[in-house]
This record gives sequence, C-alpha cells and structure tokens, in this order.
Amino acid sequence: EVQLVESGGGLVQPGGSLRLSCAASGFTFSSFWMHWVRQAPGKGLVWVSRISGDGSTTSYADSVKGRFTISRDNAESTLYLQMNSLRAEDTAVYYCARSYSVINQWGQGTLVTVSS
Amino acid sequence: EIVLTQSPGTLSLSPGERATLSCRASQSGSSSYLAWYQQKPGQAPRLLIYGASSRATGIPDRFSGRGSGTDFTLTISRLEPEDFVVYYCQQYGSSPWTFGQGTKVEIK
Repeated sequence: EVQLVESGGGLVQPGGSLRLSCAASGFTFSSFWMHWVRQAPGKGLVWVSRISGDGSTTSYADSVKGRFTISRDNAESTLYLQMNSLRAEDTAVYYCARSYSVINQWGQGTLVTVSS
Repeated sequence: EIVLTQSPGTLSLSPGERATLSCRASQSGSSSYLAWYQQKPGQAPRLLIYGASSRATGIPDRFSGRGSGTDFTLTISRLEPEDFVVYYCQQYGSSPWTFGQGTKVEIK
C-alpha cells in the first residue's frame, strides 16, 4: 500500500524556520517526482514545489522561491521541505504528494502555523 | 503562469441531479494536462480525472471530464450524498502548476 506520512509541522514565529519531512512507503520512491502542496485554513490548494526522482531538478512557486528548499533522500525514501524566513501567509496544511505525470497520491498533511 | 478560474463558486443541487462544473484557463496549454480533484472536509484531495477526460482508478463512472484548449468541464451525472463536497481543477503541463479556486457542491 502506498503511504505518504508528513511530519515536522507546528507553531513558529515570523522569520523563523521549519523543516517538513514526508516518509514514503509502498512504492519505488526514486522513480517518482514528488511535490509539496499547501492549503491555508478555509482556502484552496496551492502548489509549492516539486523535485525529480533523482533530485537533480526542482521548481518552486514564486511565493516561496528563495525561502523554501525541496530535497529528497532516496536511500531513506524521504522528502523534505526546508522553510526559512516564514511569514504569516505561509500558515497552511502542507501536503506531500507523488506524481506520475499527474499527482495521484497525497499524504494527510501537516499543519504549519506562523504566528507570534 | 496559467490562471484557472472555476465556476460557479458554489453549486446548489439535490441528490440525483446532474452537476456541471467549469474550469477556464487563462491561456491554452496542453489539454492532456488538466486534472480534477475532489476534497472532503478534513481530508487530502483525491484524483478524479486526468488528461482532461480519463477517470482515475476506482472512480465511479458518474464522474466524467471533457474539454480542450481553455475550457474544461467536470460532470457528475447523478449526485450521490457523498458527492456534496469541493472540487478543484489543476493544470500540470506548465510550470508553475496551478489549481483553480474550487467549486463547492452543496445540498439544495
């Protein structure tokens, strides 16, 4: 069974940092592009970032470019999102997701709250 | 960036009725890269349709998608009680990937 389990969310002050993790199981992790998608409370879905299977190619939404870094450890089947210079508007549930062309598998999400 | 505009924002219908949801793109990308997702409260999204018209594994045939260019439609032929939730379109052919703002289907 394919599973994606996010962790690392929590409360952080504006300007602070947080690292999210996503533990993958049930599939060959290195064969898939992986993504982070976020959803602010009561709002819609926003794509944040993606990374290729071998980690060599990444892309970001303009709203997080230069502040967030996506990475992966294929030996550990784990996806990461390093978030720096956090702002109140980064408050959201962050979902880890897998794609084979289209996103076809999602984790349950981890909540990040940026507040003083 | 391709902006996706979904309409209506809220659709009020009764169980058994037909639902038609619209998604319009700000520019024509490849219609092979348009997806629809369903999201229930407190849950992650679920893929319904990919490639504009292909149903994902396990999705009932009351869900269908069509469209090309800049205009796409998700149709639910006969609404079941569990279908009264939120639906998002998404394009995955052009970076950055983008989602529509969502259509909520509510019980009338």
